[in-house]
Amino acid sequence: NAGVTQTPKFQVLKTGQSMTLQCAQDMNHEYMSWYRQDPGMGLRLIHYSVGAGITDQGEVPNGYNVSRSTTEDFPLRLLSAAPSQTSVYFCASSAYGSNEQFFGPGTRLTVL
Amino acid sequence: EDQVTQSPEALRLQEGESSSLNCSYTVSGLRGLFWYRQDPGKGPEFLFTLYSAGEEKEKERLKATLTKKESFLHITAPKPEDSATYLCACFSSNTGKLIFGQGTTLQVKP
Repeated sequence: NAGVTQTPKFQVLKTGQSMTLQCAQDMNHEYMSWYRQDPGMGLRLIHYSVGAGITDQGEVPNGYNVSRSTTEDFPLRLLSAAPSQTSVYFCASSAYGSNEQFFGPGTRLTVL
Repeated sequence: EDQVTQSPEALRLQEGESSSLNCSYTVSGLRGLFWYRQDPGKGPEFLFTLYSAGEEKEKERLKATLTKKESFLHITAPKPEDSATYLCACFSSNTGKLIFGQGTTLQVKP
């Protein structure tokens, strides 16, 4: 099992550009989520999904979109990047009925 | 408002010097307290889950305990390879979300 994979590992964007952060898991987990990690702020939930076709907002959803067309994939889209979105982004997944989340290796995003 | 607070923010220990990390929480409908280890440049790695006050879990030099207001991660005779950031998180059944503390960065010097 590869677990949770994320691409790219690093990305630099200019203000106003759009991009998609990819996340995939091969554990057949129903629950998937996106976090951002900033110094002194801890991990904050952006969006999450409890299954294919179902998504919901977390603590800091503004500026981000998600969709869940398959169990395996949960991409995060930045519509118009802003410097405030400079952060490290983590995708995580967990099995139904379990709150133990498995995290991917992260994407370090810089917005200039 | 649900909140998870970890202390200290940073901790430096000599190899073999035991200590404890603290995680205090105010979470409505707590359904599990989690400890994770995070190495630089990597994602958090699951360590323990605790569900009820009085519960304890152990793994090598680490032992996690839980009361109604806080959790401790005890590190016995640490080694340099234990150096990492340790994250505490609480799952709220009311919100259905995992709430993270800010972490404690542990450095163990040989």
